[in-house]
Amino acid sequence: SQELEQSPQSLIVQEGKNLTINCTSSKTLYGLYWYKQKYGEGLIFLMMLQKGGEEKSHEKITAKLDEKKQQSSLHITASQPSHAGIYLCGADEAGNMLTFGGGTRLMVKP
Amino acid sequence: NAGVTQTPKFQVLKTGQSMTLQCAQDMNHEYMSWYRQDPGMGLRLIHYSVGAGITDQGEVPNGYNVSRSTTEDFPLRLLSAAPSQTSVYFCASSYSNRGAKLFFGSGTQLSVL
Repeated sequence: SQELEQSPQSLIVQEGKNLTINCTSSKTLYGLYWYKQKYGEGLIFLMMLQKGGEEKSHEKITAKLDEKKQQSSLHITASQPSHAGIYLCGADEAGNMLTFGGGTRLMVKP
Repeated sequence: NAGVTQTPKFQVLKTGQSMTLQCAQDMNHEYMSWYRQDPGMGLRLIHYSVGAGITDQGEVPNGYNVSRSTTEDFPLRLLSAAPSQTSVYFCASSYSNRGAKLFFGSGTQLSVL
């Protein structure tokens, strides 16, 4: 089965700083999804990437899928306390539902 | 819009007890799934369904049963609860298993003593 590894596992940044979260797959990614989870709540869909080299942005969050489609990065510019939470990447697995990485816990210090 | 509704939000069980976690969606999605979330392990797939009457096992199915008699409902049954099943459970639905985002319920926090 596909394995997704996220790094770092946790991250504490000062408000206003930029940060990057990585998601690496053991197999070629057919679809890569980024979700955000606020502590104690459900998951909120952020972005979906399908094509090698694809890049999408939403507000201050940018996600990229590399050309070989085995790694994705999520970049947050000028972080704010509202960005705090757990970020999870998920990937399509043939004939099955999404598999997820272990998550990255982000804390933003005011 | 209700989306995906999970009940209960919190539950405490004793070892050996059985219970059912409820999940309902009102988006007419064919695909539904159950995940458990444990610290540092992200989400792991328990069972999933590709339509009414069709279910299959995910990564961690032992100790859980599912059935899908209607498109809307996908309950998860714990047959004999064990402390190892202490976790947060999420139900999700989507209109496809490829290229479609999942809609998640708000989760059920289960503790087994």
